[in-house]
Amino acid sequence: SYELTQPHSVSVSPGQTASITCSGDDLENKYASWYQQKPGQSPVLVIYQDTKRPSGIPARFSGDNFGNTATLTISGTQAMDEATYFCQAWHNSWVFGGGTQLTVL
Amino acid sequence: EVKLVESGGGSAQPGGSLRLSCAASGFTFSSHAMSWVRQAPGKGLDWLSSITPSSGNTYFADSVRGRITISRDNSKNTLYLQIDNLRAEDTAVYYCAKDLGSCSDNSCQFLGFDYWGQGTLVTVSS
Repeated sequence: SYELTQPHSVSVSPGQTASITCSGDDLENKYASWYQQKPGQSPVLVIYQDTKRPSGIPARFSGDNFGNTATLTISGTQAMDEATYFCQAWHNSWVFGGGTQLTVL
Repeated sequence: EVKLVESGGGSAQPGGSLRLSCAASGFTFSSHAMSWVRQAPGKGLDWLSSITPSSGNTYFADSVRGRITISRDNSKNTLYLQIDNLRAEDTAVYYCAKDLGSCSDNSCQFLGFDYWGQGTLVTVSS
């Protein structure tokens, strides 16, 4: 079955850039989406179709997808960005990555 | 305002069944694929099933295929999930989600979930 692999955790200092990766076979030929989930809350879509931001998502969130790795980048990371981030792709069915805990410290 | 409200969760015994509902409002329900995703306590997101607007196509995760049924009633703007032969490992928060992609003649562009419900907790225990 298709798998998406994310690092378990990433740490970043406030104001710096955080990058979270998501790897999968032939991922560059699929669309990647990214979700932010804070404790006790439902996931929120932050990036879809590799690079697009839904309305209301701050411009500091960006995405790309090259060479079988999709990357979520948060520029000027803020304390409020501390959350778990999940990538997702469609491969005859939906697949989620295992999630990456982003710590802002 | 788009709203998705799940209901039907609660406690159930192993081997039993549950039917979850998701009431949708604020968008044209009959134009979008819908999905169910669950999250076990402290774990990641686990996609279960998706259904196209006219129910012509359904998709299931291998892990639950044969034990779940997804359906929708476009006249009631409601999505359903039936889970049979419940197991302890089915204990999770169950979310319904709306796909932001467009569909035509039951062929959908699956782009991701732009709206999620608040989730309903299912606890399976004897």
